[in-house]
Amino acid sequence: GAGVSQSPSNKVTEKGKDVELRCDPISGHTALYWYRQSLGQGLEFLIYFQGNSAPDKSGLPSDRFSAERTGGSVSTLTIQRTQQEDSAVYLCASSPDRGRVHLHFGNGTRLTVT
Amino acid sequence: SQQGEEDPQALSIQEGENATMNCSYKTSINNLQWYRQNSGRGLVHLILIRSNEREKHSGRLRVTLDTSKKSSSLLITASRAADTASYFCAEYNNNDMRFGAGTRLTVKP
Repeated sequence: GAGVSQSPSNKVTEKGKDVELRCDPISGHTALYWYRQSLGQGLEFLIYFQGNSAPDKSGLPSDRFSAERTGGSVSTLTIQRTQQEDSAVYLCASSPDRGRVHLHFGNGTRLTVT
Repeated sequence: SQQGEEDPQALSIQEGENATMNCSYKTSINNLQWYRQNSGRGLVHLILIRSNEREKHSGRLRVTLDTSKKSSSLLITASRAADTASYFCAEYNNNDMRFGAGTRLTVKP
């Protein structure tokens, strides 16, 4: 079946502009995670959605970052007033439920802020 | 914030040799997972070991877990050039999945 889909795959934006990154999780997966990966680095947790529960936003680095998950499916990560330090690959992952499950990752959106 | 650390940060070996990567973590876990990432791609799950397990095998992969030391190791036996990738451990605890910085493995043909 289809995997996790992220769009766009690449995004170049000017400093100060807003960007929206989209994630389509695997159908039926209730959990959805966003991570940020800077060049050659590990994954930095941003936000986690589980079903209809309130999201865990503890990893969002500033109030310029926000995310929504509509209808328990598609998620959008929005970065307002982008800065050069926001340049990174933004990875989305989903999993079917809590417990001994593993994550299914998309290929990410590479964001470059000029 | 990121949790855990992989060791070494980079590893270069010849095809056919074994590769061992280590991971230390900081919190109690439900399970620990290992993922692989090829350049420019997302992460792919390799293997999961539960907190009450000590060793697990999957093909050429062997994972150990020592909860007293809060550490895990991933062994890839008889490595191949196609194993070249970054390898990450991830600690899972109550819906919280945190990744280490990864080990960059290069297998030379």
